[in-house]
Amino acid sequence: GESVGLHLPTLSVQEGDNSIINCAYSNSASDYFIWYKQESGKGPQFIIDIRSNMDKRQGQRVTVLLNKTVKHLSLQIAATQPGDSAVYFCAEISNTNAGKSTFGDGTTLTVKP
Amino acid sequence: DGGITQSPKYLFRKEGQNVTLSCEQNLNHDAMYWYRQDPGQGLRLIYYSQIVNDFQKGDIAEGYSVSREKKESFPLTVTSAQKNPTAFYLCASSIDLKAQHFGDGTRLSIL
Repeated sequence: GESVGLHLPTLSVQEGDNSIINCAYSNSASDYFIWYKQESGKGPQFIIDIRSNMDKRQGQRVTVLLNKTVKHLSLQIAATQPGDSAVYFCAEISNTNAGKSTFGDGTTLTVKP
Repeated sequence: DGGITQSPKYLFRKEGQNVTLSCEQNLNHDAMYWYRQDPGQGLRLIYYSQIVNDFQKGDIAEGYSVSREKKESFPLTVTSAQKNPTAFYLCASSIDLKAQHFGDGTRLSIL
């Protein structure tokens, strides 16, 4: 079946460095992608989204890149801070799937001071 | 403030017992969802509802039941038929069937 997966389960970076979290998806019919951040003991929070007709979208300190050719999605966090330590999930949504989101397994980001 | 409230935060179930997890939202969202999260894994969809009085099974609905009698409420019952209920349960809502707003979850354990 279709699935959304992340390349690495864990990522450790130094405070102030840039972080890149990757996600591979397999459903070419997906037309909307979201990155969520989940802190320990809490529910996921929306970070940024991107439609399939876009290659790049920027937010505050975050950028999402979409490469449809290789079905790859990435989240870039600039000047990573200790408060960025969390689990990051990508999710894909297809209009042909009744609006259901498919989540990857997540990448745990640890920021070292 | 608008948001989603899940209760209780922690819940314990005895063998053979049904338990109900509460999920309330005041965001006026039509769609609501229940997910199960196991350690180190992503979210798996249990049930979802796109509108009041209607709901559909997700990927892992066996052993669970839901109701959607009011727009703001979407309770989940974990029945005794669910043999491995220990998990973190997350409720979410959405206004556009895209971005979802999540509650802070209920952690269910077996006594």
